[in-house]
Order: sequence, then C-alpha cells, then structure tokens
Amino acid sequence: KNQVEQSPQSLIILEGKNCTLQCNYTVSPFSNLRWYKQDTGRGPVSLTIMTFSENTKSNGRYTATLDADTKQSSLHITASQLSDSASYICVVSDGGGGNKLTFGTGTQLKVEL
Amino acid sequence: EAQVTQNPRYLITVTGKKLTVTCSQNMNHEYMSWYRQDPGLGLRQIYYSMNVEVTDKGDVPEGYKVSRKEKRNFPLILESPSPNQTSLYFCASSLSGLFNYGYTFGSGTRLTVV
Repeated sequence: KNQVEQSPQSLIILEGKNCTLQCNYTVSPFSNLRWYKQDTGRGPVSLTIMTFSENTKSNGRYTATLDADTKQSSLHITASQLSDSASYICVVSDGGGGNKLTFGTGTQLKVEL
Repeated sequence: EAQVTQNPRYLITVTGKKLTVTCSQNMNHEYMSWYRQDPGLGLRQIYYSMNVEVTDKGDVPEGYKVSRKEKRNFPLILESPSPNQTSLYFCASSLSGLFNYGYTFGSGTRLTVV
C-alpha cells in the first residue's frame, strides 16, 4: 500500500529560526514529490514539485530535497516568519493514469515571537 | 486571476437531503478532482476527471456522484448525505492528469451533516 509519512507531527519555533520537516514515502512507481503549504481552513498551495532526477528545489525561503534512493524528502524553511505558521503536506505521485496522489498527514508548524 | 472556486464555503444539512457542491476553474484545465480531508488523515481522493465526460472513482467514492459536462465545472453531488460525510472538501484542477503539472486547489467547503 502506498504511504507517505511525515515528521514531526507538529513543531513550534521562534521567528527567525530555521527548521526542517521530513517526509518518507513508499509509493511505487514514483513520478514526482510535491510539498504544499496549507493555512488553516484553506486549500493547499504548491511550494515545490520534484521529479526523480531532481535533488533539490527552492522557492524563496523554502528548499526541498529529494533522495529517491532512500525515498526521503525534506523541506527546509529559512529565517521563519509568523506567516509560515501552517500545515506542510508532502504528496507523492505515482504518475499513473489519473495521476494518483498519496498525501501525508502534514506537519503543523507554529512560528512564535 | 487564475483560481478554483468552490461554493458554498460552509454548509450544514440534514441526513438524506440531497446537496451539490459546485467547483469551477478558469484556467482551461483538463484534469479536475475532489478530495476530502478529515482530522488525522491525509487528503483522500473521491472522484477525478481527466477531461469532459471522463470521470473515474478515487479512493473513497461511496456516497458521492460527479459529472463533467463542461471543462470548467465539476460538481460534487451527495444524493443522500450521512453524518460520516461530515468533512472538509477540496476541489483541485491541473493542466493535465498525465504529467507533472501542479495542482490548484479551491478554498474548501466545510460540510456538516446532522
């Protein structure tokens, strides 16, 4: 069964600090891995999409890494801001017909003053 | 502005009363999909559509219907809602369901069935 597991489940950091969120997956076949940011009660917003051949991808203060061999990804947030408080969801696509996505349950990040 | 619009944002209904949640996108996307999000679970796919008149079941289709008569619209129909369908629903669209295109999500519909 395809699975995406994220850790930690929740995280509290001080504004200005960096943090790293983890994602392990057992999706096969693998097409791409996506990170989304979801504010409370809102729809997920795409941060990065990485295919098999990409090791790292950045979007402003967000940098995602992918190790397709160990089936692990991380999302690094630099110089956190209060507006970074959200749930961060790792999503893996098998690339099959219908582009099946398997969603992680998310890491709830809270940035405090 | 490119967007996926869902209506309504909030809905409280009673068991058995048919309802429709609308979804519309203005990006000429071929692929559209419905998800539900429940506490402690990742988003789960209900139905998806690769193009007009082409729909298929996702992981949790029971109790739901969809239609895709036009490219821009993909309504979700609950013929006889039950309390276990209380959830947060998201519609999403993508340029194509075949490649590594990004998804645009709507703002969500919070449904409560009493």
